Amino acid sequence: GAGVSQSPSNKVTEKGKDVELRCDPISGHTALYWYRQSLGQGLEFLIYFQGNSAPDKSGLPSDRFSAERTGGSVSTLTIQRTQQEDSAVYLCASSPGTANTEAFFGQGTRLTVV
Amino acid sequence: AQTVTQSQPEMSVQEAETVTLSCTYDTSENNYYLFWYKQPPSRQMILVIRQEAYKQQNATENRFSVNFQKAAKSFSLKISDSQLGDTAMYFCAFMLRGNTPLVFGKGTRLSVIA
Repeated sequence: GAGVSQSPSNKVTEKGKDVELRCDPISGHTALYWYRQSLGQGLEFLIYFQGNSAPDKSGLPSDRFSAERTGGSVSTLTIQRTQQEDSAVYLCASSPGTANTEAFFGQGTRLTVV
Repeated sequence: AQTVTQSQPEMSVQEAETVTLSCTYDTSENNYYLFWYKQPPSRQMILVIRQEAYKQQNATENRFSVNFQKAAKSFSLKISDSQLGDTAMYFCAFMLRGNTPLVFGKGTRLSVIA
């Protein structure tokens, strides 16, 4: 596609359930980022993939959060045993991977845990 | 660790007037990049302008310009001839050279009033 695609756009889940959020980056982009944006807040870094390097997981808030990137393309962010404080917009971005290049963002997945 | 501070949670400006959004950052590094992103209600993050730290000349993009003061670690955004479509959240972001994750401020909500 022309841009970063995220699915679903909106997700409502019950507390304690697991959820998977998907990100399709721009074709050829080697870098992929996940961010979390809570209501009225800035973007909180979660995880970063760059090519075949080990991902930077330093932003994941707990071991309930994990992410993978298959074949250097599609990425899935998984949240296990969701809690109400996980409610937020989850944004994915990709970039060509060279220095000083723009990160292109998807429109995000709004997750609501009830 | 790098931090980005936006001290103005909300601002408003009359249509056709000029407004300046503030951003300061903290880093001990010398090679980095700075960005301003716009997030309208659609949630889509859009790059407004970028600045390489090694360049002394302030970046400009049409009605948008920055005042980059490296010694003061300040990176303000000036919007001239404000338009109703400029209404959005504006985020200042920092990235170290080497394509590391973007670090964002908490944002400034800008309202352009007719």
